[in-house]
Amino acid sequence: KAGVTQTPRYLIKTRGQQVTLSCSPISGHRSVSWYQQTPGQGLQFLFEYFSETQRNKGNFPGRFSGRQFSNSRSEMNVSTLELGDSALYLCASSLEGSNTGELFFGEGSRLTVL
Amino acid sequence: GEDVEQSLFLSVREGDSSVINCTYTDSSSTYLYWYKQEPGAGLQLLTYIFSNMDMKQDQRLTVLLNKKDKHLSLRIADTQTGDSAIYFCAESILNYGQNFVFGPGTRLSVLP
Repeated sequence: KAGVTQTPRYLIKTRGQQVTLSCSPISGHRSVSWYQQTPGQGLQFLFEYFSETQRNKGNFPGRFSGRQFSNSRSEMNVSTLELGDSALYLCASSLEGSNTGELFFGEGSRLTVL
Repeated sequence: GEDVEQSLFLSVREGDSSVINCTYTDSSSTYLYWYKQEPGAGLQLLTYIFSNMDMKQDQRLTVLLNKKDKHLSLRIADTQTGDSAIYFCAESILNYGQNFVFGPGTRLSVLP
């Protein structure tokens, strides 16, 4: 069974640009969550999608957005990039109705903003 | 509000036991988790404990939960160099959707 796949793994952008990151969850998982990981702030919850609907949202500005498609694949977008957006963006999927609610993480997309 | 705290660094000698501690604030947490992150990788679930349990043992791993003090610990017996990683404590409230709060992570260094 394939794990959570994130693309691209690495990317470099400049301030003011926008970026789109993609996440393919484990087959059968309909919940997809996104996290931002930085050395200073640790893991910060961005948002969670389930059945193409955003169910939960963290405390990030509107420049951060996401969506989920009918096949459960998800994308997140960051517009008007700032230097502080440099981070590892992690996607996680989970099986709805699971006893433990375990999150399965991808390897992340490392974004560098210059 | 929700907050999870951990010490940031821990060094142990190979073969010794490691104990990583965590405190959380939300008493309605349903599950508490320990995730491991190796360099360049995402997080991988190590173990979890349901909030009505006091202890869970899984091979070299022992999780202790003190619900009164909102304190969680992870003990790794016979620590090996392959255990060097960042360990994240996380709490989850399974209500509407996923609501995980992660600690800052403890970087475990295993010295030969």
